[in-house]
Amino acid sequence: QKEVEQDPGPLSVPEGAIVSLNCTYSNSAFQYFMWYRQYSRKGPELLMYTYSSGNKEDGRFTAQVDKSSKYISLFIRDSQPSDSATYLCAMSESAGRRALTFGSGTRLQVQP
Amino acid sequence: EPEVTQTPSHQVTQMGQEVILRCVPISNHLYFYWYRQILGQKVEFLVSFYNNEISEKSEIFDDQFSVERPDGSNFTLKIRSTKLEDSAMYFCASSEMETQYFGPGTRLLVL
Repeated sequence: QKEVEQDPGPLSVPEGAIVSLNCTYSNSAFQYFMWYRQYSRKGPELLMYTYSSGNKEDGRFTAQVDKSSKYISLFIRDSQPSDSATYLCAMSESAGRRALTFGSGTRLQVQP
Repeated sequence: EPEVTQTPSHQVTQMGQEVILRCVPISNHLYFYWYRQILGQKVEFLVSFYNNEISEKSEIFDDQFSVERPDGSNFTLKIRSTKLEDSAMYFCASSEMETQYFGPGTRLLVL
């Protein structure tokens, strides 16, 4: 079983749609969860960061973590063509062990 | 807004040659990292660096790789004898605590 699994997509939605992106993981030691956005041939850009379980909202973005199910989600409301990118989930263990383990990324296309 | 910078943006080298990839982390950050992404694959952790020493490294980071903070601003990754399979995008990242900020990457092509 892969440590972090993410549907590669592509996911194509119309402008204004609500987008749901998900990752599952197997390592119960993961405590820090991040979502990055990556445009083609660019570096990952941090979108959201959450610690342990719960929800976090920032503008049009909401991150959810369910540690009991080992499942994390990113919701994008009112999606825009500029949101078209690959979305990477990433996670790490304790504060002392900081290596991020990434999912393979989901490619999102928002059609105008 | 502060950002991580990397040079060069692209590097082409011959197999067996040494390459040095350079990074300038965000100035108040204490933790530094290198990751790589082979085309079409996941971003993979290579090494983390704190207080002038390696704090963690992956299986990928073998004796061919080394890291250094030669001065107060730069952080480098050296590959001593490049192999074809080292062709990838190499990302530097830095963090103050848990959130890591990535640079734009260096695309390395080994011929």
